[in-house]
Amino acid sequence: AQSVTQPDIHITVSEGASLELRCNYSYGATPYLFWYVQSPGQGLQLLLKYFSGDTLVQGIKGFEAEFKRSQSSFNLRKPSVHWSDAAEYFCAVGAQRGGSYIPTFGRGTSLIVHP
Amino acid sequence: DTAVSQTPKYLVTQMGNDKSIKCEQNLGHDTMYWYKQDSKKFLKIMFSYNNKELIINETVPNRFSPKSPDKAHLNLHINSLELGDSAVYFCASSPRAPGTQYFGPGTRLLVL
Repeated sequence: AQSVTQPDIHITVSEGASLELRCNYSYGATPYLFWYVQSPGQGLQLLLKYFSGDTLVQGIKGFEAEFKRSQSSFNLRKPSVHWSDAAEYFCAVGAQRGGSYIPTFGRGTSLIVHP
Repeated sequence: DTAVSQTPKYLVTQMGNDKSIKCEQNLGHDTMYWYKQDSKKFLKIMFSYNNKELIINETVPNRFSPKSPDKAHLNLHINSLELGDSAVYFCASSPRAPGTQYFGPGTRLLVL
């Protein structure tokens, strides 16, 4: 069965600083990988996804992530964080089940942005 | 237009009551899901329906019964509510596979 580990429960950065959120996955085949963001009191919104091809994927809001098969990682990065980026970030790995696609989510990383 | 909508947004009820949460998507997606997010933000899938057919039931108590009257709707009925059912419940939909999941705004359930 697939699994996702987000080793950092909380990350604190200053506004304007760079950001990297870590994600490690476990899955036997080529994974479908996702990053979602959840603002307080809201549902989850997709930031970016990797299915195949270029291992560096660009997403919305200036985020990017790099798939590294050798490290089973899919870390999320942003060169300069804005205060509005404060939110909960979830990494997910998807696998085919029952004719559909079922994701498994990590436990999330809470991003705190200092002015 | 809201892509995935849920009602109600908040639900406060007493232990032992029965309640329902409704979900509708206007994206034309084949697959819909229910997730439970606990107080520590852990997001766990409960059910998945594909074209009104149940395909995933993840060790959820029998008190929880999903119903999909058509492809655009997936409702969640909960019998005999317990304190531990307090959580945020998210509905989501996606194209058949593989696909991005589109989440509703959540229903915050508090069982007293």
